[in-house]
Amino acid sequence: GAVVSQHPSRVICKSGTSVKIECRSLDFQATTMFWYRQFPKKSLMLMATSNEGSKATYEQGVEKDKFLINHASLTLSTLTVTSAHPEDSSFYICSARDRQGGGLNQPQHFGDGTRLSIL
Amino acid sequence: AQTVTQSQPEMSVQEAETVTLSCTYDTSESDYYLFWYKQPPSRQMILVIRQEAYKQQNATENRFSVNFQKAAKSFSLKISDSQLGDAAMYFCAYKRTSGTYKYIFGTGTRLKVLA
Repeated sequence: GAVVSQHPSRVICKSGTSVKIECRSLDFQATTMFWYRQFPKKSLMLMATSNEGSKATYEQGVEKDKFLINHASLTLSTLTVTSAHPEDSSFYICSARDRQGGGLNQPQHFGDGTRLSIL
Repeated sequence: AQTVTQSQPEMSVQEAETVTLSCTYDTSESDYYLFWYKQPPSRQMILVIRQEAYKQQNATENRFSVNFQKAAKSFSLKISDSQLGDAAMYFCAYKRTSGTYKYIFGTGTRLKVLA
């Protein structure tokens, strides 16, 4: 089945540090990837939609300068949390849509997630 | 705006028994997709089952089946012959059929399977 790899799985760093999270589709090409944030006992909240070769589309309330997204190739999207603070601590999950998946209604494939802890 | 509600934060089931997880949603759309995703402790979300709103027949995947009640906007997941490996967080999700890839997720139900 389709595999999405997310790296790193866990990051602990000091406040003020910028952290980059990678999301790779390993066995398919993904023109569209999605970044979610998951709080404890809460749902997944879509942060942004990452489009290969173009600017990401951010959801309302998500700071684009805080959460930088780059989708440089058909298999890689990165999320950089700039100048991270403790309130940015969360579980970040990416997902990807197979470009050959047959349209809007194919399910997304999810990565394992990244636990970000800012001290 | 569409919303998805899972009113059961946690459920328990005895191994080999059947359990039903509830999900309700709100939408003004007539056509859409509904999904159940499983998130095991390893954290990778896995698609369990999918239902297309225009189909009256309830989707089934092996031990997993749904009870889709469109008028009531209800989409429950039934797990038969529960196994220890079914223990996970289960998320109900909604997606419009056109114009967007965006999923709307419920808050999840943690399922514990007791040996």
